[in-house]
Amino acid sequence: AQSVAQPEDQVNVAEGNPLTVKCTYSVSGNPYLFWYVQYPNRGLQFLLKYITGDNLVKGSYGFEAEFNKSQTSFHLKKPSALVSDSALYFCAVRPDSGAGSYQLTFGKGTKLSVIP
Amino acid sequence: DTGVSQDPRHKITKRGQNVTFRCDPISEHNRLYWYRQTLGQGPEFLTYFQNEAQLEKSRLLSDRFSAERPKGSFSTLEIQRTEQGDSAMYLCASSPAGTKNGNTIYFGEGSWLTVV
Repeated sequence: AQSVAQPEDQVNVAEGNPLTVKCTYSVSGNPYLFWYVQYPNRGLQFLLKYITGDNLVKGSYGFEAEFNKSQTSFHLKKPSALVSDSALYFCAVRPDSGAGSYQLTFGKGTKLSVIP
Repeated sequence: DTGVSQDPRHKITKRGQNVTFRCDPISEHNRLYWYRQTLGQGPEFLTYFQNEAQLEKSRLLSDRFSAERPKGSFSTLEIQRTEQGDSAMYLCASSPAGTKNGNTIYFGEGSWLTVV
């Protein structure tokens, strides 16, 4: 069975500073990794994904994430935070094949607050 | 290009009543998923369809829950004899078939259920 850990319930960062939201995962086989963002009372919006290839993936709104296989991590980053980035961020994983390859397993989420 | 559409967005019901939610996936997507999200948690997988076939159900999906996708297009999720513990946001999502390139799962805005 796969699992995702987001060790920080909340991350506070000043506007204009770089931000990092942490994620570690456990999965059998090769992982497909995803980040989603959720604004209050809304559904999840896809930000980016890692499938294979370059360990640094770029996504929407200037976000990027770095896949580290040895540390089983997939941290979300942005060079310069905006107040509008304040939201709930979810990391998710699924295996590339086999049982469970059709379903995402999510972490509990990290609330990002960007302070003006 | 329309996204995943869910209806109703909000539902308040009395304990013991039945409720039904509808989901219209992205038109070219033949995979459809239902997830449940409670406050402070990440979404949890409930069930998955490929076309009209329901291929997997989570243990979270008790016998009071039933999901259908009769023509392989829209889907309904019915909860019978609702309980207060059913209060949550029910998220529908869709994706193209296959896991090649880690096909992204796109979520709707969710349907909030409050059982009083």
